[in-house]
Amino acid sequence: AQSVSQHNHHVILSEAASLELGCNYSYGGTVNLFWYVQYPGQHLQLLLKYFSGDPLVKGIKGFEAEFIKSKFSFNLRKPSVQWSDTAEYFCAVKSKAAGNKLTFGGGTRVLVKP
Amino acid sequence: GAVVSQHPSRVICKSGTSVKIECRSLDFQATTMFWYRQFPKQSLMLMATSNEGSKATYEQGVEKDKFLINHASLTLSTLTVTSAHPEDSSFYICSAPSVSGTQNTEAFFGQGTRLTVV
Repeated sequence: AQSVSQHNHHVILSEAASLELGCNYSYGGTVNLFWYVQYPGQHLQLLLKYFSGDPLVKGIKGFEAEFIKSKFSFNLRKPSVQWSDTAEYFCAVKSKAAGNKLTFGGGTRVLVKP
Repeated sequence: GAVVSQHPSRVICKSGTSVKIECRSLDFQATTMFWYRQFPKQSLMLMATSNEGSKATYEQGVEKDKFLINHASLTLSTLTVTSAHPEDSSFYICSAPSVSGTQNTEAFFGQGTRLTVV
């Protein structure tokens, strides 16, 4: 069975600080990896995704993530956060072996102080 | 991008009543729809997978008689919470892959329904 682990439950940082959110998954086969963001009161939005190819993936709003297969990791980064990045971030994994179902990590609440 | 519309966004109901939540794919056909539940400060947990024209597949521990799923058309899936109790209060979210049956697709999410059972 596939599973996803996000290391930090809460992150508080100031504007212009750099952000890195950890994500590890357990499934060893071919996977698709995603980062979703949920702004307060809004629905989930896709930040970025990895299917294949370049392991460094660029997403929207200045986010990027790096797929490191040997570490089963897909960490999310942003060099300089803004107050508007305050949200909850979810890492998710999907695999054909698991019926193409998305499995989510526990989420990380990010609070950016102005 | 593709749009998934979910209604209602909020509903308050009395214990013992049933509540229906609708999820529509507005600009694409969704032969598969996923239903998730999100408890406060927790992640999304997959409840069931609905497939157009066939019975839904429920995850372990999810009562299929309590959470009735119907996927009657390629653009509509419904989740009915029957005989709702306060412990059913949660945030319910539907999701559809942009292309069913293949792996390299992203999922599009509805706005979610916050159910409060009093």
